[in-house]
Amino acid sequence: DQQVKQNSPSLSVQEGRISILNCDYTNSMFDYFLWYKKYPAEGPTFLISISSIKDKNEDGRFTVFLNKSAKHLSLHIVPSQPGDSAVYFCAATKTSYDKVIFGPGTSLSVIP
Amino acid sequence: DADVTQTPRNRITKTGKRIMLECSQTKGHDRMYWYRQDPGLGLRLIYYSFDVKDINKGEISDGYSVSRQAQAKFSLSLESAIPNQTALYFCATSDRQVSGANVLTFGAGSRLTVL
Repeated sequence: DQQVKQNSPSLSVQEGRISILNCDYTNSMFDYFLWYKKYPAEGPTFLISISSIKDKNEDGRFTVFLNKSAKHLSLHIVPSQPGDSAVYFCAATKTSYDKVIFGPGTSLSVIP
Repeated sequence: DADVTQTPRNRITKTGKRIMLECSQTKGHDRMYWYRQDPGLGLRLIYYSFDVKDINKGEISDGYSVSRQAQAKFSLSLESAIPNQTALYFCATSDRQVSGANVLTFGAGSRLTVL
């Protein structure tokens, strides 16, 4: 059973608009959550993370929101740019030392 | 040069053959990982190593073995490849941290096709 879920396999957004990527998890012991971006023919690259003691973390155009009671997090990209077109993986860990569990990914297309 | 280098980048082999995927890193990280990516399943952990003498099974270790030859080298072997091991394989590294998220640095991937 997947512990980290991304129920939208794909998302299409107009350039300049907001992109919202969603992620749900089942294990309440997770205490760090991360987002990775992956372009074709490249490895995933780290984008942004959030600790379970926070409900928001912002880095430029990227903001991650965490709702612990709902076991849900989301990545907001504002404004969306064509270069943001990629697969986005949500990931979670139990401690800062533990292995990282990934979701299935959401493919984002930003249309010029 | 890339921080995490995987070889080969592409490999086609036949059922029953032994295959080794190699990974080397220049980041000086203690921890190394092997993941495989399949459509709709995301990245699943095969094996991980927190130092040269430490090897741990991940979610899907059956049919795979690993060797941590040095701090910078971590290889993945398929002793007898089968078609459902056709996938994109990623090596990753991370540093030991006192606190904070365990941020992985990935290689570019090795695409393996088993016929």
